[in-house]
Amino acid sequence: DTAVSQTPKYLVTQMGNDKSIKCEQNLGHDTMYWYKQDSKKFLKIMFSYNNKELIINETVPNRFSPKSPDKAHLNLHINSLELGDSAVYFCASGRAANNEQFFGPGTRLTVL
Amino acid sequence: SQQGEEDPQALSIQEGENATMNCSYKTSINNLQWYRQNSGRGLVHLILIRSNEREKHSGRLRVTLDTSKKSSSLLITASRAADTASYFCATGTYTGANSKLTFGKGITLSVRP
Repeated sequence: DTAVSQTPKYLVTQMGNDKSIKCEQNLGHDTMYWYKQDSKKFLKIMFSYNNKELIINETVPNRFSPKSPDKAHLNLHINSLELGDSAVYFCASGRAANNEQFFGPGTRLTVL
Repeated sequence: SQQGEEDPQALSIQEGENATMNCSYKTSINNLQWYRQNSGRGLVHLILIRSNEREKHSGRLRVTLDTSKKSSSLLITASRAADTASYFCATGTYTGANSKLTFGKGITLSVRP
């Protein structure tokens, strides 16, 4: 029933590690997004994919690599984690011609 | 870059009162949207107003858009304790597959029972 789901919900890891966050949507949308929300609740877009093709890459470090195996999935892999990567990461989906987006529950990443 | 700027940053009201939140933006948009985020949760879409619309209603929500002033307001009437949350305005632009929302910093609304 969940429209946009993310796993895991919480992720605690050491600096330098590599981790992945998975996202799936069952809404039939053509576009998926990754956002980062910092400790001040500022929400910033990182990437968008439309039909598995990268559309938006908002000056995100190369350590972040999104992968879209199909239209319903958009995963985020992060290499060599840094303290500043600690944040809540949200996945969202929508239709390109209609900006309304549906958000997942978020993944709280804590880098120690 | 940040587009929407909400005002006030925090708002505390009594249950039953109306809450008005404002948003200003800088560049051309296709639409403007308001989202709610409860503590520790994801964002929930509340309402979308297109650039050629001036006012829209949804239940207890009323949103206005003034493209000449590049501003919008969200009014929540007869507030309830359950309305306590952070509210974000987001400006929407799309050109083909490049569809994007740019969020403001959010307004923290506290509704006292």
